[in-house]
Amino acid sequence: EDQVTQSPEALRLQEGESSSLNCSYTVSGLRGLFWYRQDPGKGPEFLFTLYSAGEEKEKERLKATLTKKESFLHITAPKPEDSATYLCAVHLIQGAQKLVFGQGTRLTINP
Amino acid sequence: DVKVTQSSRYLVKRTGEKVFLECVQDMDHENMFWYRQDPGLGLRLIYFSYDVKMKEKGDIPEGYSVSREKKERFSLILESASTNQTSMYLCATSWGGGGYGYTFGSGTRLTVV
Repeated sequence: EDQVTQSPEALRLQEGESSSLNCSYTVSGLRGLFWYRQDPGKGPEFLFTLYSAGEEKEKERLKATLTKKESFLHITAPKPEDSATYLCAVHLIQGAQKLVFGQGTRLTINP
Repeated sequence: DVKVTQSSRYLVKRTGEKVFLECVQDMDHENMFWYRQDPGLGLRLIYFSYDVKMKEKGDIPEGYSVSREKKERFSLILESASTNQTSMYLCATSWGGGGYGYTFGSGTRLTVV
């Protein structure tokens, strides 16, 4: 069964304290991996797409990386406005065009 | 930018009522999806559609139906609302094979009392 697991479920950091969020997947075939940010009471907002192992994407304080079994979202010197839930999703080669989502990591940055 | 509009941000309905959740997109995206999101369970796919009048069941279709009469509009119908359908409902669109990810609406927080 195709599965996406995110860890940790929740993470509290002090402002400026860098860390990483993990997304591991066991799927039959990966077409792409997506990271989204979701603020409370709102829909997810697209951050990155990664297509192949070794690929990296950056946006401000965030950097996403991809290996054959997992992806990391690195956050460098975070600010309180980076507080949100971060969702990982995989697009499979076979089957429908749907995405399979992880459960998310709730990130809180304390000032 | 694609805009995905969900008709209501918050909705309160009574048990047994028939509930319609509407989603409209302003681009020519073929694919539309309905998810529900619950704490600890993540996003779960209810139904999706690849084209007008086409629909496919997702992972949790029981108690729901959908309608897609026009390409830009995808409706989720709760035939007889129950308290366990209290949730955040998210509509999303994509184009082509979906390899460019989804664009989400802002969500509808539905409470069934």
